[in-house]
Amino acid sequence: AQTVTQSQPEMSVQEAETVTLSCTYDTSESDYYLFWYKQPPSRQMILVIRQEAYKQQNATENRFSVNFQKAAKSFSLKISDSQLGDAAMYFCASGSARQLTFGSGTQLTVLP
Amino acid sequence: DTAVSQTPKYLVTQMGNDKSIKCEQNLGHDTMYWYKQDSKKFLKIMFSYNNKELIINETVPNRFSPKSPDKAHLNLHINSLELGDSAVYFCASSSLAGETYEQYFGPGTRLTVT
Repeated sequence: AQTVTQSQPEMSVQEAETVTLSCTYDTSESDYYLFWYKQPPSRQMILVIRQEAYKQQNATENRFSVNFQKAAKSFSLKISDSQLGDAAMYFCASGSARQLTFGSGTQLTVLP
Repeated sequence: DTAVSQTPKYLVTQMGNDKSIKCEQNLGHDTMYWYKQDSKKFLKIMFSYNNKELIINETVPNRFSPKSPDKAHLNLHINSLELGDSAVYFCASSSLAGETYEQYFGPGTRLTVT
């Protein structure tokens, strides 16, 4: 069974600043991926970034990057130069071929 | 050019009624899913179909019945609706034949049972 834990129910960041959202996971799978999804008020689930577990290099997508610590089973998301449009619920997810398991989410507020 | 679409987006109905939510994907994916998101935003997998075959069936009341007429469609039928069924239901799809396992989500259906 997979579990994903997001220990920060809410976070806030000043516009243009950097914020890091935490995520830890547990899985018995040897081949798995990790994801961060964003859910703005429109409720659409949007993929932000993905990390292949077999890759040591941390994934980066523009202002979004991850800090993947495989031994610690940690997968945090860093958002640089935060923008008002980044305000959303962020979900961490761990997945194998058959299933994604989601964390409980972190509500991010961006302050102007 | 919607990748994963759901209808309806909003559904208000009374207890005891039967309703269906439809989902279609045009991504050529072989696997489709239904998730339930409760009022606390927690996302929980309900069902998964791969090539029209049920591969995940989590602990869900048997009032919920998924149906996959083909690989591009996965519908969710709910009998005898209860107040606790009120939630947002998401359809998603992915390709197990692919290498990344990422899932693409529909816009969600907000079901309100009164």
